[in-house]
Amino acid sequence: GENVEQHPSTLSVQEGDSAVIKCTYSDSASNYFPWYKQELGKGPQLIIDIRSNVGEKKDQRIAVTLNKTAKHFSLHITETQPEDSAVYFCAATALSGGSYIPTFGRGTSLIVHP
Amino acid sequence: GAVVSQHPSRVICKSGTSVKIECRSLDFQATTMFWYRQFPKQSLMLMATSNEGSKATYEQGVEKDKFLINHASLTLSTLTVTSAHPEDSSFYICSARVPVVETQYFGPGTRLLVL
Repeated sequence: GENVEQHPSTLSVQEGDSAVIKCTYSDSASNYFPWYKQELGKGPQLIIDIRSNVGEKKDQRIAVTLNKTAKHFSLHITETQPEDSAVYFCAATALSGGSYIPTFGRGTSLIVHP
Repeated sequence: GAVVSQHPSRVICKSGTSVKIECRSLDFQATTMFWYRQFPKQSLMLMATSNEGSKATYEQGVEKDKFLINHASLTLSTLTVTSAHPEDSSFYICSARVPVVETQYFGPGTRLLVL
């Protein structure tokens, strides 16, 4: 089955700095890679996603890059703000048993210091 | 993005009772919904995949008689924790998948505390 590794587990930055979270996956058949932001006590919120036919996608301060050959994808947050502080999860989605099932990374706790 | 609701947001119950959690997709029809369990400071653990009109597919190690899932309509799936025990205390989160695009949207979660 798919295996997703996410690093770092904790990331501490100063407000205004950039933050980068990296994930690797094992199943070359994975073709959809969403990123979720989870604030304390809440459900994960989809912030950006990318499909395997695209190498990069940007939405304001957030961008995601995908390297299919190396099987890794990254989340980039620029000009970080305290409200960006949360746990971020990456996921890789592959066909499993006739259904597309996402496999999640272990999460990165991002702390943005004002 | 699409909206998924979950009810109740938190529940406290006595050991031995059953608890039902509802998951609704509010602005789209979801043929597939997922149920996750999350322990503090840990990732999402998939419990089961729920397909409308058919039996749920449970992940290895998840007791199907303990965690009953019903997906009776395209907008509603329910998870019933039967004869709950303190070790069932956790944060339960559902998600619903938008057909064709395969994007999943999560509900706000249900905090279950079994005394």
